[in-house]
Amino acid sequence: LAKTTQPISMDSYEGQEVNITCSHNNIATNDYITWYQQFPSQGPRFIIQGYKTKVTNEVASLFIPADRKSSTLSLPRVSLSDTAVYYCLVGTNDYKLSFGAGTTVTVRA
Amino acid sequence: DADVTQTPRNRITKTGKRIMLECSQTKGHDRMYWYRQDPGLGLRLIYYSFDVKDINKGEISDGYSVSRQAQAKFSLSLESAIPNQTALYFCATSDGSDGAGNTIYFGEGSWLTVV
Repeated sequence: LAKTTQPISMDSYEGQEVNITCSHNNIATNDYITWYQQFPSQGPRFIIQGYKTKVTNEVASLFIPADRKSSTLSLPRVSLSDTAVYYCLVGTNDYKLSFGAGTTVTVRA
Repeated sequence: DADVTQTPRNRITKTGKRIMLECSQTKGHDRMYWYRQDPGLGLRLIYYSFDVKDINKGEISDGYSVSRQAQAKFSLSLESAIPNQTALYFCATSDGSDGAGNTIYFGEGSWLTVV
């Protein structure tokens, strides 16, 4: 399981773009990069997943450089409801899933 | 209805008591997991099961046991609960499909307090 490193916390204001970078220097060839969001007292939920380049969905964008040693989750125009913990996971179908402390994003009015 | 259902949602138990947390899923997934979450520590894997006949220890299995009764059911037991097992417990499932990374679906969580 590739080790990941992400900031402990980030603060932002409503309407701003939030970018969270995750480092995964020992990512393996078959590994995917997946981000989850967790609200207080709820289970994490899937946000986005990618392998290389850029992936975009209705919630976020994921940027992955060519060397895949890092990735950046981009949340456009955040609102108060985007306040949550965001987790970066790297692995394949057979990886034993563990979540680190994640990044606590606090959005202020 | 939730795809991954945990019972009970909240439980207070006494030290030394046996407690079972149950999980059922309607997603048809083979893979099921139990995690615990403590403040500031993210989610730590307790046990995981890739099919009915497969049970594996996770990062923090001591003091816990599991049973995979069917594809859809995976229960977690604390044989003799202790206060430091007070935590929020999550059950999760994934399909482990080929050709893509593993996407995990979580239950709503079970708050367990051991006094």
